[in-house]
Amino acid sequence: DAGVIQSPRHEVTEMGQEVTLRCKPISGHNSLFWYRQTMMRGLELLIYFNNNVPIDDSGMPEDRFSAKMPNASFSTLKIQPSEPRDSAVYFCASTRELGGTSGVSYEQYFGPGTRLTVT
Amino acid sequence: QKEVEQNSGPLSVPEGAIASLNCTYSDRGSQSFFWYRQYSGKSPELIMFIYSNGDKEDGRFTAQLNKASQYVSLLIRDSQPSDSATYLCAILKGFSGGYNKLIFGAGTRLAVHP
Repeated sequence: DAGVIQSPRHEVTEMGQEVTLRCKPISGHNSLFWYRQTMMRGLELLIYFNNNVPIDDSGMPEDRFSAKMPNASFSTLKIQPSEPRDSAVYFCASTRELGGTSGVSYEQYFGPGTRLTVT
Repeated sequence: QKEVEQNSGPLSVPEGAIASLNCTYSDRGSQSFFWYRQYSGKSPELIMFIYSNGDKEDGRFTAQLNKASQYVSLLIRDSQPSDSATYLCAILKGFSGGYNKLIFGAGTRLAVHP
């Protein structure tokens, strides 16, 4: 398996422009997460999809951020309009979760990330 | 109080020594615990998970869980310079609807010097 695929790997854009980040999760995984990481704030959960349905978007900073998962193999995170404070590394993570008699088996794998710079 | 607490470090250890990384958590109901390693400029990589009290060993890595004291630790034996990275502790948190998500600590930076 190729693992979680994200594109682009680097994005430099000007303030006010629309930015779209893309993610292809691992086949067979049932959950997908978008995170943002900065030195100041660490790793922050933005939104979580389970079986393509948004479950928890409480981490989305504001209305400028939106995310979609139209099918099990593709998700996007859009920022419109972008601002310099959005500069960060954005990770997509793919998760396989299996219930069992001894508890939940949970494996979450991160993509390589998209480094976003908004000038 | 943060749900998952880690000392930010840096933790500096000489090559060949045992590195001990600690993590405490506030939710007494937590059942599953994870350690991720993140090299500078790279994404977090899952290296260990532990569900039961006690120790779990995988090569040079040992995860230790003490639910009564609400801490989980990661021991790295025979530390190598290539182990230098930030180590993130995470707990699995359940919420309404039967869903789960990981809650991450801020990470501990480990530096192994020759």
